[in-house]
Amino acid sequence: DVKVTQSSRYLVKRTGEKVFLECVQDMDHENMFWYRQDPGLGLRLIYFSYDVKMKEKGDIPEGYSVSREKKERFSLILESASTNQTSMYLCASSFPRQPYEQYFGPGTRLTVT
Amino acid sequence: KNEVEQSPQNLTAQEGEFITINCSYSVGISALHWLQQHPGGGIVSLFMLSSGKKKHGRLIATINIQEKHSSLHITASHPRDSAVYICAGSGGSNYKLTFGKGTLLTVNP
Repeated sequence: DVKVTQSSRYLVKRTGEKVFLECVQDMDHENMFWYRQDPGLGLRLIYFSYDVKMKEKGDIPEGYSVSREKKERFSLILESASTNQTSMYLCASSFPRQPYEQYFGPGTRLTVT
Repeated sequence: KNEVEQSPQNLTAQEGEFITINCSYSVGISALHWLQQHPGGGIVSLFMLSSGKKKHGRLIATINIQEKHSSLHITASHPRDSAVYICAGSGGSNYKLTFGKGTLLTVNP
C-alpha cells in the first residue's frame, strides 16, 4: 500500500522558533511537494523537488526553505515562524510522468502563537 | 498560466440527493484530477481523466474536452460523502497540479 507520512499531525510553536516538518514516501517517487492549505485559498505550492538536492520555488516560498538529502525524505523548514504561517501543511509525491497523480500525506496542522 | 475554476464553493444536500460539482479549466490542461478530503483528513485521489467518463460506485466523473469542463456527480448521496472535493489540472510536461479552491459538501441525514 502506497504511503506518504508526515512527522506530526498537530504542532504548536512560538513566534520566532525554527520549525521542521518532515515528509517520507515509500513509493520511490522522484517528485515531492509541500503545500499549505488555508480556508478560501485552497492548496498553494510552497516548494517542490524533482530529485535529491534539487528544488524549485512554488507560488509562496517566502519564509520557507526545504531540504532533500534522500530520495524518500523532503523537509520543510520555517526559519523563524510567524503567526501568518499558522496553517495546514500537506506533503505529496508523484512520478515525473503523465498523468502526474500525486499521493498526499495526512497533513500537519501548525499553530504559531 | 494554467487555471482551474470550481463551483460551487459550498453545497448542502439532503441524504439521497443527486449532487454535481463543476470544474472549468484553461488551455494547457490535458488531464483533470478529482480529489477528496474528509474533515481533518488527508487528500485522496478519486479520479484522473483526460476524456470521457469514469465511474466508481456512486461517483461519476465526466470531462468535455471541447468545452474544457469536468463534472463530479454523486448519486444517492450519504452523510459519509461530506467532504471537500477538489479538482486539479495537469498538462504537458509540467508535473505541477493546478488546483481549484475546493467545494465543501455537507450531506445531512
